Amino acid sequence: AQSVTQLGSHVSVSEGALVLLRCNYSSSVPPYLFWYVQYPNQGLQLLLKYTTGATLVKGINGFEAEFKKSETSFHLTKPSAHMSDAAEYFCAVSWIKDYKLSFGAGTTVTVRA
Amino acid sequence: GAVVSQHPSRVICKSGTSVKIECRSLDFQATTMFWYRQFPKKSLMLMATSNEGSKATYEQGVEKDKFLINHASLTLSTLTVTSAHPEDSSFYICSARDLRGAGGSLYEQYFGPGTRLTVT
Repeated sequence: AQSVTQLGSHVSVSEGALVLLRCNYSSSVPPYLFWYVQYPNQGLQLLLKYTTGATLVKGINGFEAEFKKSETSFHLTKPSAHMSDAAEYFCAVSWIKDYKLSFGAGTTVTVRA
Repeated sequence: GAVVSQHPSRVICKSGTSVKIECRSLDFQATTMFWYRQFPKKSLMLMATSNEGSKATYEQGVEKDKFLINHASLTLSTLTVTSAHPEDSSFYICSARDLRGAGGSLYEQYFGPGTRLTVT
């Protein structure tokens, strides 16, 4: 079965440190890939997406992600964490056969001063 | 652009009553809208896919008679929780696909701010 896995349910980083959130999918067919951020009691905001073309994708708020087909991964990074990055992050995948999104379990990011 | 609103943002209702939640695409036409449910500290669970002018498609395990979905226009979908019970208390989020989307953007979903339902 196709699935999305986010490694690490909770990531704690110091302000200014690298943020790395991992996402892997299981599929032989490359999907469309998304990262969303959710602040408490709010909906989801798109950080970035990969559909076709360049595999290194830049998004909002300084985030970027790289699609690696050989590793079936789409890890999210930000070089320098800011206090405002504290939130829940979801990796999502659409497998083309329909328009549904499958979400990973989510990763909670806390930023230490 | 691509703004989705939900109303109400919070609702408290008594057990046994019905509650309607609206999802609107404000600046685009949505060929498809989705309804999700999110439990505390959990991911989003897709409940149903709503297409304008046709019946909603429910995910396995979701009671269609309990969660009534109506997609009356290209900018409005409603979710009605009928005969609500405390276990229906949750955060409900809708999303929408832009009719004008091309290529990979067809698969992007724009999310509403969510509705917190509490059933007492």
